[in-house]
Amino acid sequence: QQQVKQSPQSLIVQKGGISIINCAYENTAFDYFPWYQQFPGKGPALLIAIRPDVSEKKEGRFTISFNKSAKQFSLHIMDSQPGDSATYFCAASKLGGGADGLTFGKGTHLIIQP
Amino acid sequence: KAGVTQTPRYLIKTRGQQVTLSCSPISGHRSVSWYQQTPGQGLQFLFEYFSETQRNKGNFPGRFSGRQFSNSRSEMNVSTLELGDSALYLCASSLRQGLAYEQYFGPGTRLTVT
Repeated sequence: QQQVKQSPQSLIVQKGGISIINCAYENTAFDYFPWYQQFPGKGPALLIAIRPDVSEKKEGRFTISFNKSAKQFSLHIMDSQPGDSATYFCAASKLGGGADGLTFGKGTHLIIQP
Repeated sequence: KAGVTQTPRYLIKTRGQQVTLSCSPISGHRSVSWYQQTPGQGLQFLFEYFSETQRNKGNFPGRFSGRQFSNSRSEMNVSTLELGDSALYLCASSLRQGLAYEQYFGPGTRLTVT
């Protein structure tokens, strides 16, 4: 059972454009939603995270939008740059953990064309 | 501050053998989690250790085990290796117990089972 569904699987955006990646979750007990960025040969790096008590969080060019009623959250990358080309993972977890641990989406391979 | 380190970075084993992977968390971090990353299944949670005790466990067979030492360093062991165990094994550390807190990943150990 895939508890976090991520789309699209791959995305090509022109330099300076907005990259949007979406995730949907099923488990209403999830209350922590991070996004990770992974470059080839590296481990995932935490980008930004949100708790369900807010609908939006912004850090630099990265923004998470959260819709609790729809059980969806998304990552927006403004003014996308070639250096943003990487694989992005959304994730979710319950406070305190549990058997599901940190549950990841399948990832989005983002390419920013110069 | 040094990041999460994992050793070895690459490993080739034969089916039926066992393997031990090592993880040193960020200084001061007491929680260590392990994940398996494969192209087909993506990132899957294995287990979390905090203060030398396993706090959470994912849905993996008993061939996968781990432990944590008093200095927070952790090891993961896989016995009776199968071809399907070929994967990138990632370790992540966090200041606090539970998975709803910032986790910092190491570069991973690439295990190939032949």
